Amino acid sequence: AQKVTQAQTEISVVEKEDVTLDCVYETRDTTYYLFWYKQPPSGELVFLIRRNSFDEQNEISGRYSWNFQKSTSSFNFTITASQVVDSAVYFCALSEARAAGNKLTFGGGTRVLVKP
Amino acid sequence: KAGVTQTPRYLIKTRGQQVTLSCSPISGHRSVSWYQQTPGQGLQFLFEYFSETQRNKGNFPGRFSGRQFSNSRSEMNVSTLELGDSALYLCASSLVRGSENTEAFFGQGTRLTVV
Repeated sequence: AQKVTQAQTEISVVEKEDVTLDCVYETRDTTYYLFWYKQPPSGELVFLIRRNSFDEQNEISGRYSWNFQKSTSSFNFTITASQVVDSAVYFCALSEARAAGNKLTFGGGTRVLVKP
Repeated sequence: KAGVTQTPRYLIKTRGQQVTLSCSPISGHRSVSWYQQTPGQGLQFLFEYFSETQRNKGNFPGRFSGRQFSNSRSEMNVSTLELGDSALYLCASSLVRGSENTEAFFGQGTRLTVV
């Protein structure tokens, strides 16, 4: 069965520091998709990125970057020069192609607190 | 483009009652999924609907049910409410693009409190 583990439950940093969120996944499927979502206090999950299992290229989007390593089943997320607005809970998620649909398995989330 | 809309935003119900939550997906999105979020269990998948058919189901009792209408709007129903059903219920909609699993866009959720 699929599983996503986010070992860090909470990270506290001071503004402008970099923060890296770890995500380790388990799946038996060869084709799968990985996602990161941000959940601010308002409750809505905001989509950040989607990767498929065949695309191991790292990606950078502004202050956000993602490191996908199939060899270690990890999909880590780094926020560079953090800002107070980055304070939120971040979720890593996995969906398997064989599930024939968009069933997401989420990790437990990492709460990021950025202090001014 | 309007996002995913969930109604109501907040709900208080008594044990034993039933409740219906509504979700309007992003225009053009035909897949609608529901998730339950609690502090203890985290985010858990309830079910997914596509073309008015349930395509996937999570490990929840039969008291949890859903349906999808021809305009892709979806409802979920919880019967015989229990205190443990208190949670944030999130709806997500997705494009259907061949066999790919596309990103899901979430609504703001319905916070259900059972007393």
